[in-house]
Amino acid sequence: EVQLVQSGAEVKKPGESLKISCKGSEYNFNNYWIGWVRQMPGKGLEWMGSIYPGDSDKRYSPAFQGQVTISADKSTSTAYLQWNSLKASDIAMYYCARHHSSGSGGYYSGLGYWGQGTLVTVSS
Amino acid sequence: DIQMTQSPSSLSASVGDRVTITCQASQDMINYVNWYQQKPGKAPKLLIYDASNLQTGVPSRFSGSGSGTHFTFTITSLQPEDIATYYCQQSDNLPFTFGPGTKVQIK
Repeated sequence: EVQLVQSGAEVKKPGESLKISCKGSEYNFNNYWIGWVRQMPGKGLEWMGSIYPGDSDKRYSPAFQGQVTISADKSTSTAYLQWNSLKASDIAMYYCARHHSSGSGGYYSGLGYWGQGTLVTVSS
Repeated sequence: DIQMTQSPSSLSASVGDRVTITCQASQDMINYVNWYQQKPGKAPKLLIYDASNLQTGVPSRFSGSGSGTHFTFTITSLQPEDIATYYCQQSDNLPFTFGPGTKVQIK
């Protein structure tokens, strides 16, 4: 069964850096795009960007471009979402999700398998 | 960005009722519209992809239809376990965007 397991909840101070992870298993990690989705407290879903681990091709939402970095490590089947300087407005649940269709064009597909979410809290 | 306008924002229906949610896109789509269910405290779950395809393992009471700018999600017979918020999403044009969600409750 396809699984995405995310790293645990984080509590950080404003200005600190953070890298959260998403480990995929039971499928060919290199062949499916992985996306990141933000959900602020009590709010809806926002697509942040996606990465194709096979060649590290990336697509970002303009709203998040320059604010976060998405990366992937094929050797460990792990995708990452990284901030260089956290703000209070980054408080949210962050989900990784595997796109439904395989291949380099597969980002034009729904998010078929989801991680459990990583809660990021930023507080001084 | 493509805006996805979802309605209603909430609804209350009885067990066994037919429930319909609509999503209007701000421009024509090539049917890359997906529907998700999110229960409180849980990750979203893909129910319908590419407008009308049922994700593996999803009960057949869920269905989707539509084309162009108008898309519909239907639960043919509402069950107590269907209490959740439902989101449409377009994966047709970057950046991919979600509708604001429809909260479904039992009357």
